[in-house]
Amino acid sequence: NAGVTQTPKFRVLKTGQSMTLLCAQDMNHEYMYWYRQDPGMGLRLIHYSVGEGTTAKGEVPDGYNVSRLKKQNFLLGLESAAPSQTSVYFCASSALRTVFTEAFFGQGTRLTVV
Amino acid sequence: KNEVEQSPQNLTAQEGEFITINCSYSVGISALHWLQQHPGGGIVSLFMLSSGKKKHGRLIATINIQEKHSSLHITASHPRDSAVYICAVTGGAGSYQLTFGKGTKLSVIP
Repeated sequence: NAGVTQTPKFRVLKTGQSMTLLCAQDMNHEYMYWYRQDPGMGLRLIHYSVGEGTTAKGEVPDGYNVSRLKKQNFLLGLESAAPSQTSVYFCASSALRTVFTEAFFGQGTRLTVV
Repeated sequence: KNEVEQSPQNLTAQEGEFITINCSYSVGISALHWLQQHPGGGIVSLFMLSSGKKKHGRLIATINIQEKHSSLHITASHPRDSAVYICAVTGGAGSYQLTFGKGTKLSVIP
C-alpha cells in the first residue's frame, strides 16, 4: 500500500540545469498538488491538478511547470534551476477537494541548487 | 488570503505531560486540518474537522468556528510524539488551496 511516492528523494542541481520530480499515487485520487516547504514558512502551493489532463497555478508557480498526463502521476519540472528553488518539495493527493477530505502526502524531495 | 498562526512555535515537554497546540486563522473556513511531520520529512494527516471535536487515540482536536480557533491536545505524551505539528485551513467555494501555519515543533523528553 504505497500511497503517494515521490522520486527522487534528494537531488543537487547546478544553477541552470533542469530536472523533473515525479509524484505517483495509487489511490485513484482526482486531485494532486505540489508544495514547497522553506524554513520559517508554511507549505506553499506551487501547482495543482483537479483531474487527468488538467493543471492550474497555485500561490508560487513561477519557474515551475507541471503535467498530469496520467491520473496517477503528477510531474513537476524545473526548466532552469535557480538557488531560490532550493527547498523541500512535497506532493499530495486527495480524493475530493480538501474542504471535504484529507490529503495524503509523499515523503518529500530535498532539492539543493548550487 | 487566510492567515494561519500557530502557538507555540516550539514546545518541550516531559513524557506523560498533557500538551496543547493552538491554531488561529483570520478568515472563515470550511475545514481545518492537523498534520504531523516527523524528522525525516514525511507528512501525515491527523485530523480534518469543520466543527466540534474529534479524538483518535491520545490525540484530540477541537475547533471553535466563531472564534476562528482550533486546538490539538496530546494526552500522556510520549517521546514518539516528537514531531512538527502543522495546522492548515481550507474554505470557500472552488477553493483548492490549503493555507498552512508554520508549524509547532514538539519535543517530548523521557
